[in-house]
Amino acid sequence: DSGVTQTPKHLITATGQRVTLRCSPRSGDLSVYWYQQSLDQGLQFLIQYYNGEERAKGNILERFSAQQFPDLHSELNLSSLELGDSALYFCASSHSGALDTQYFGPGTRLTVL
Amino acid sequence: AQSVTQPDIHITVSEGASLELRCNYSYGATPYLFWYVQSPGQGLQLLLKYFSGDTLVQGIKGFEAEFKRSQSSFNLRKPSVHWSDAAEYFCAVAPMDSNYQLIWGAGTKLIIKP
Repeated sequence: DSGVTQTPKHLITATGQRVTLRCSPRSGDLSVYWYQQSLDQGLQFLIQYYNGEERAKGNILERFSAQQFPDLHSELNLSSLELGDSALYFCASSHSGALDTQYFGPGTRLTVL
Repeated sequence: AQSVTQPDIHITVSEGASLELRCNYSYGATPYLFWYVQSPGQGLQLLLKYFSGDTLVQGIKGFEAEFKRSQSSFNLRKPSVHWSDAAEYFCAVAPMDSNYQLIWGAGTKLIIKP
């Protein structure tokens, strides 16, 4: 158990819909990262938050957004969903920067029908 | 552009045999290098990382990796695999000019023969 929790574990929705994925980091970790893992694109970094502020952005679509709240939990919002957004979405946390060990949650599997 | 190549999609080894998983990177400077493991249905776990210094890095679960600058490689090794090592292994690089965000290889799935 990494100490990072993600909800829900599974999500099935339809094209055009909007969903919110939630992540609680390990106690004491200030950074949260979101990754997408799909069969065709592999693992891709989406975005990092540090202590409530956006720190770095990767291959995140404009339809996707994230935020980190004062209690350090984070949410990833995916809107206008397309079939190609079906993937496993991981959250990871680290104490501070990206070079610290990142601890991964179990992921949320999103299926868009 | 920076990239990470794991040339083997699948590798099958017998239990007790030695293992080497290959990783090559394309990057101008010496990057920060990582190996992660993903067990079925689980998130990723860091096995080891290389930042500088000794080019042979020891990790958890009996794994080690060797950084070879001349070959732009960071291969993962284990002298004797156990059935519980069956998983997918990912090599990643953290380039300075992408704010150290991880760029991932495609992964190598390790299958253990009894």
